[in-house]
Amino acid sequence: DAKTTQPPSMDCAEGRAANLPCNHSTISGNEYVYWYRQIHSQGPQYIIHGLKNNETNEMASLIITEDRKSSTLILPHATLRDTAVYYCIARSSGSARQLTFGSGTQLTVLP
Amino acid sequence: DGGITQSPKYLFRKEGQNVTLSCEQNLNHDAMYWYRQDPGQGLRLIYYSQIVNDFQKGDIAEGYSVSREKKESFPLTVTSAQKNPTAFYLCASSIRGRSVDGELFFGEGSRLTVL
Repeated sequence: DAKTTQPPSMDCAEGRAANLPCNHSTISGNEYVYWYRQIHSQGPQYIIHGLKNNETNEMASLIITEDRKSSTLILPHATLRDTAVYYCIARSSGSARQLTFGSGTQLTVLP
Repeated sequence: DGGITQSPKYLFRKEGQNVTLSCEQNLNHDAMYWYRQDPGQGLRLIYYSQIVNDFQKGDIAEGYSVSREKKESFPLTVTSAQKNPTAFYLCASSIRGRSVDGELFFGEGSRLTVL
C-alpha cells in the first residue's frame, strides 16, 4: 500500500474553507484514498474516501488529481469543532488488512 | 444505538502483570482490529481478525495476544512481555475485512498506564 505524506500542521480561520493536502505519489490503480480525523483522546472518525473521481458528502469534499498522485480534503466552512488530526490513507481494494495510520495533519481552527 | 464499546477507559497496572482490554461491537461487522497510539504519533496495527476464530498479526504484535471466539467480541491481552505497554489502545471494526467499502468504525479507546 502506498505511503502518504501530509504536512504536520495547518491553521484555518473559523468559517473559511480548510484545504488539507495529501501526497501519495506511489499509489497504484486499485488503491483508494481514505480520510479519517481524530479529536484529542477519542477514536478516529471516518470522513470520506475515493478512487479517482471527486467525492462529496455531508462532512467534506475529496478532490483527487487526475494522475492520482495527490488529493485534497476540503472542509467547506470550518468550525472550532473541526480542530483535530486528519489522516490520509491509501488502501488497496481487496486488502486483507488495515493500514497503519501515519502522523497526519493537526488542523487548528482559529476563532 | 450500534457502536463499539471499549472498556475500561482508563487502566493502571503494575509491571509484570497481564491485563485484558475489552472490545465489543453490535454492528454485526465481520472484521475487528486493535491499534496502539503513542503520544503525538499515528496508529499502529497490533492484531486484526476478519472472521470468528481467526486472527492475524499486525505490525507490532509482540507482547500482545487476542482471541475471537464470538463475532461481536475481540479482547486484547497486554502481556508482561510487552516492553512499553503504556499507550492509548483503540479497537475498530469494519463490515468486511477485504472490501474497499469497509471503512473503520472506532471505539473511544482505553488508556493503559504501567506504574
